[in-house]
Amino acid sequence: EPEVTQTPSHQVTQMGQEVILRCVPISNHLYFYWYRQILGQKVEFLVSFYNNEISEKSEIFDDQFSVERPDGSNFTLKIRSTKLEDSAMYFCASREGPTGSYEQYFGPGTRLTVT
Amino acid sequence: GQNIDQPTEMTATEGAIVQINCTYQTSGFNGLFWYQQHAGEAPTFLSYNVLDGLEEKGRFSSFLSRSKGYSYLLLKELQMKDSASYLCAVNSGAGSYQLTFGKGTKLSVIP
Repeated sequence: EPEVTQTPSHQVTQMGQEVILRCVPISNHLYFYWYRQILGQKVEFLVSFYNNEISEKSEIFDDQFSVERPDGSNFTLKIRSTKLEDSAMYFCASREGPTGSYEQYFGPGTRLTVT
Repeated sequence: GQNIDQPTEMTATEGAIVQINCTYQTSGFNGLFWYQQHAGEAPTFLSYNVLDGLEEKGRFSSFLSRSKGYSYLLLKELQMKDSASYLCAVNSGAGSYQLTFGKGTKLSVIP
């Protein structure tokens, strides 16, 4: 069964450093998402991406964040200068196109620890 | 604004039935989802309701009342492996259909 994959599974970085989290969505899906979950808290929407551009972004997704689809398979989230409060599990998700299922398939997540 | 409420924790006995409630107040509505999340893992899809009524899928059923802003997830014949958090999420229908999640209900199944 197709699945969303993410790398790395765990990333430790120092405050102020840049990190790039990588995702490979399901191949025929057209909508891509990043969510985060701080330990013990709810899953929060960060950004959605469709047709090679950002569709929606939340208040969390400020100028420190960016997303990119550098090729036909990868979808990346970059945090330019990490802060302690960026420590969280980051989930990538993907969904079929406008006429397909509404279900979003989540990847296994990247646990980001900022020290 | 968006507000989704569900109980923080529930405990139920193996083999029993448990109902997890969710109420929502959102600026738009284009469907309600239930996800299961085991500790340290990704959410996995359980059900989707966009019309009023009950959707049944094996041991799991989900109900929606749009007029009341209310849904529940019903789990039958509970198994130990059902111990997990259950997340209620609303698709507001805006833009790219991102999900707004509740805080989740941690279900503990005891022997």
